[in-house]
Amino acid sequence: NAGVTQTPKFRILKIGQSMTLQCAQDMNHNYMYWYRQDPGMGLKLIYYSVGAGITDKGEVPNGYNVSRSTTEDFPLRLELAAPSQTSVYFCASSYTGPYNEQFFGPGTRLTVL
Amino acid sequence: SQKIEQNSEALNIQEGKTATLTCNYTNYSPAYLQWYRQDPGRGPVFLLLIRENEKEKRKERLKVTFDTTLKQSLFHITASQPADSATYLCARSDNNAGNMLTFGGGTRLMVKP
Repeated sequence: NAGVTQTPKFRILKIGQSMTLQCAQDMNHNYMYWYRQDPGMGLKLIYYSVGAGITDKGEVPNGYNVSRSTTEDFPLRLELAAPSQTSVYFCASSYTGPYNEQFFGPGTRLTVL
Repeated sequence: SQKIEQNSEALNIQEGKTATLTCNYTNYSPAYLQWYRQDPGRGPVFLLLIRENEKEKRKERLKVTFDTTLKQSLFHITASQPADSATYLCARSDNNAGNMLTFGGGTRLMVKP
């Protein structure tokens, strides 16, 4: 099993550009999450999904969008990139809710200039 | 919102000693506390989960305690090794917070040979 995979590993965007961060898992997990991690600030939940077709906002959803058309994939969309979105983004999955361990991907380091 | 706090200062200890990391939370006790390890440039990796009604949980050289009176969880690594050097994150999940996991900022542990 590959676990949770994320692409790209690194990306530099200009202000106002858009991009999609890809996330896939092969563990047949129902729950998937997107976090951002700023230096020394811990992880902040952006969006999560409890199954295909169901998504919900986390703590910091502004400026992002998600979709979940399959169990495996959970892409994160940035429509109008801003410098405040410079961060490391982690995707995670779990079999059920947050009472179970979460499996994290390797992260995407995004810089917006 | 429910907060969870960890000491942002790095903890430096000598190999073979016991490392103790602290996680403090505010307001009411979370239903669960989870501990993760994060190495530089990588995603967090799950270590242990402890429930509100559990006082202690062990896994090999790791031990987690949950003190609802002090509103604190302690994470111990006995017989520490340089390979234990990493950032350790604690996270809370609450019965009334849906499917969200709230992370602390993490504490960096450095084990010197």
